[in-house]
Amino acid sequence: DQQVKQNSPSLSVQEGRISILNCDYTNSMFDYFLWYKKYPAEGPTFLISISSIKDKNEDGRFTVFLNKSAKHLSLHIVPSQPGDSAVYFCAAIPSSQGGSEKLVFGKGMKLTVNP
Amino acid sequence: NAGVTQTPKFQVLKTGQSMTLQCAQDMNHEYMSWYRQDPGMGLRLIHYSVGAGITDQGEVPNGYNVSRSTTEDFPLRLLSAAPSQTSVYFCASSRTGFYGYTFGSGTRLTVV
Repeated sequence: DQQVKQNSPSLSVQEGRISILNCDYTNSMFDYFLWYKKYPAEGPTFLISISSIKDKNEDGRFTVFLNKSAKHLSLHIVPSQPGDSAVYFCAAIPSSQGGSEKLVFGKGMKLTVNP
Repeated sequence: NAGVTQTPKFQVLKTGQSMTLQCAQDMNHEYMSWYRQDPGMGLRLIHYSVGAGITDQGEVPNGYNVSRSTTEDFPLRLLSAAPSQTSVYFCASSRTGFYGYTFGSGTRLTVV
């Protein structure tokens, strides 16, 4: 039973355009969300996060949007660059259940940005 | 600034053998976790620790043991390796999960 779903396994965009990566969740106890980026043969690296008390968080070219009623979040990358080509993981924390130690990850989505 | 160091990077085991995957962090993080990544499955939590002397099970703990005797180290032990444990293993640490975890570069384990 996948609690964090990234339904599209891959996305290909042109350099300079917007990349939109989607994530859905089923557990209403999740109230903190994170995005990680992973290059081949490396560990994931933390990209950006959002608390459920917000609906948007921005950091440079990266913006995460949260729609709590739809249990949906998305990561926007504008403009996309070839170096953004990686696998992106959405993750959630059920912090209201007592701790932030249990990250629940989606299956990941491979983004390819073409020059 | 080493961050999270995992050793070894690659390992091949025979079914039934035991081994320990090492993980060390130098950031004085209280939280440490072990994940496994399998194709099409994302990252799944094996065991985690919120401080020295405190460990707990994650989503897929069977076949693995952990201990946390110091803040810096969080080894993962495979007691009797099985082919189903063929995977890439990641160790991670964090001040708290809200600040994002720092991951090691992974250990690719093959059990034959």
